[in-house]
Amino acid sequence: ETGVTQTPRHLVMGMTNKKSLKCEQHLGHNAMYWYKQSAKKPLELMFVYNFKEQTENNSVPSRFSPECPNSSHLFLHLHTLQPEDSALYLCASSQGDDPYEQYFGPGTRLTVT
Amino acid sequence: AQTVTQSQPEMSVQEAETVTLSCTYDTSESDYYLFWYKQPPSRQMILVIRQEAYKQQNATENRFSVNFQKAAKSFSLKISDSQLGDAAMYFCAYRSAGNQFYFGTGTSLTVIP
Repeated sequence: ETGVTQTPRHLVMGMTNKKSLKCEQHLGHNAMYWYKQSAKKPLELMFVYNFKEQTENNSVPSRFSPECPNSSHLFLHLHTLQPEDSALYLCASSQGDDPYEQYFGPGTRLTVT
Repeated sequence: AQTVTQSQPEMSVQEAETVTLSCTYDTSESDYYLFWYKQPPSRQMILVIRQEAYKQQNATENRFSVNFQKAAKSFSLKISDSQLGDAAMYFCAYRSAGNQFYFGTGTSLTVIP
């Protein structure tokens, strides 16, 4: 396992619920990412944070709301989701100014009913 | 925008044999990084190998090696002496100089005993 943890690992929620996904990295990295992984599609980069500042929002619907209180923690707040939002949500971290790879968490398997 | 294409959704290889996974990308940048990630079933995505675009020498990590053709924008992964534990989804990824990551759709590798 890597130094990136995600909770919960599985989540089932109704379309009217509000829930949050949590990511924590223990690697001392300064960049964190949220990805959506759907079957037969490339990983979709959702949000990027560098030094706690959001630097990318790739046209993500407002029903997804990220929060980065510090460089080790990243949240994804969910509300009024749609069934097509069901996917594996991956968190990753990296050293933003180094050409190194991202370290991924195990993901949260989200099912929207 | 950069795109990463993996044209082989599924591949299979006999145990102990060699297999090559294909990846092409589109970019106008000259400075970038390329990665192959492995995602075993229900497990975290981990880095297999990386290549800096400015390096002409192909990267090698034990049984894994790449064939990097910068002019052709091709970055294939060769797995030698395939083992059962190599069975996984393999993702090709591109990292721009601006720290943006782009992933392909993945290749599912089956290793036949």
